[in-house]
Amino acid sequence: GENVEQHPSTLSVQEGDSAVIKCTYSDSASNYFPWYKQELGKGPQLIIDIRSNVGEKKDQRIAVTLNKTAKHFSLHITETQPEDSAVYFCAASKGYQKVTFGIGTKLQVIP
Amino acid sequence: GAVVSQHPSRVICKSGTSVKIECRSLDFQATTMFWYRQFPKQSLMLMATSNEGSKATYEQGVEKDKFLINHASLTLSTLTVTSAHPEDSSFYICSATELGMETQYFGPGTRLLVL
Repeated sequence: GENVEQHPSTLSVQEGDSAVIKCTYSDSASNYFPWYKQELGKGPQLIIDIRSNVGEKKDQRIAVTLNKTAKHFSLHITETQPEDSAVYFCAASKGYQKVTFGIGTKLQVIP
Repeated sequence: GAVVSQHPSRVICKSGTSVKIECRSLDFQATTMFWYRQFPKQSLMLMATSNEGSKATYEQGVEKDKFLINHASLTLSTLTVTSAHPEDSSFYICSATELGMETQYFGPGTRLLVL
């Protein structure tokens, strides 16, 4: 089955700096890669996703890149703000099958 | 759009009782719903996948007689934890997808504490 590795597990950045979270996946057939943000005590919230026919996608301060050859994908948050502090999960799936999640990255933005 | 609700948000029960958790898609028809369990500081663990009108598919190691799932309509799925014990205490989260779409939208989660 699919295996998704995510790092770092924790990340601290100063407010205004950029944050990068990286993930790798094992199944070359995976073609859908969502990213979720989870605040304490709440359910995960989709923040951005990318499909395998696209190499990069951007939404305001958030961007995701995908390297299909290397089976890597990354989340980039620019101009971080304290409200960006949360746990971020990457995930991978193929078609409409179940999603495999990474272990999560706890991001702390220091004011 | 794509809002998923869960009820209750928090429940405390005595050991041996059963607890039902509801998951609703509020503004779309959810042909598939997923149930996850999450332990503190850990990732989401898929318990089962349910499709409207059919039996749920459980992940390996998840007891189907312990965790009863019903997906009777396109907007409602329920998870019943039967004869709950303290080790069932956890954060339970559902998600839902529309027909033909890959994106899972998550509910806010239900915190279960079994005394």
